[in-house]
Amino acid sequence: QVRLQESGPGLVKPSETLSLTCTVSGGSVSSGSYYWGWIRQPPGKGLEWIGYIHYSGSTNCNPSLKSRVTISVDTSENQFSLKLSSVTAADTAVYYCARSDYYYYYLDVWGKGTTVTVSS
Amino acid sequence: QSVLTQPPSMSAAPGQKVTISCSGSSSNIGNNYVSWYQQLPGTAPKLLVSDNNKRPSGIPDRFSGSKSGTSATLVITGLQTGDEADYHCGTWDSSLSAVVFGGGTKLTVL
Repeated sequence: QVRLQESGPGLVKPSETLSLTCTVSGGSVSSGSYYWGWIRQPPGKGLEWIGYIHYSGSTNCNPSLKSRVTISVDTSENQFSLKLSSVTAADTAVYYCARSDYYYYYLDVWGKGTTVTVSS
Repeated sequence: QSVLTQPPSMSAAPGQKVTISCSGSSSNIGNNYVSWYQQLPGTAPKLLVSDNNKRPSGIPDRFSGSKSGTSATLVITGLQTGDEADYHCGTWDSSLSAVVFGGGTKLTVL
């Protein structure tokens, strides 16, 4: 059974870069049948898709965040990562990593989520 | 402002049926598959329905999805108190080249 686990700092200062890693267990990030993605949920709000990466290195990001987002994959560590630069309080959210079907984009495996607060 | 539109909240009694709608456009729901997610309080979302109407293994047949034109629907029958959760619809938007979600519907089982 595939499991995903987010890790990273829970507190980031404004204007700095948020960095999170998702570790995949029970499966391989190198599977060509999936994208590996990030989704966030601000307090009391709905889900917002951040972006995804394929093991080949192909990425796609939410146009509203694209200028600040970098998603990378490390196949040797079976991990993928998110960097979000120039953060503000509006980036405070629960961040989830998830596995996405390659053809139809549904998210079938989710991590438990990690709360990131942007504050000085 | 979410790309897909869902009612913010709904309520129904145990044993009853509830229908949650998700409205979009031709660039998203109209030409792509819809998925639905259940988010119990304090937990991560869980896939309920993929490809408009397919249930992953372990999801009871009380949950069913459908799509017509630019709208999708999640129907839950035989409501249980354990079904109290937020329900989110999602799909691919071909114009944005992005996954988009609805704002979520909070279901209360009275």
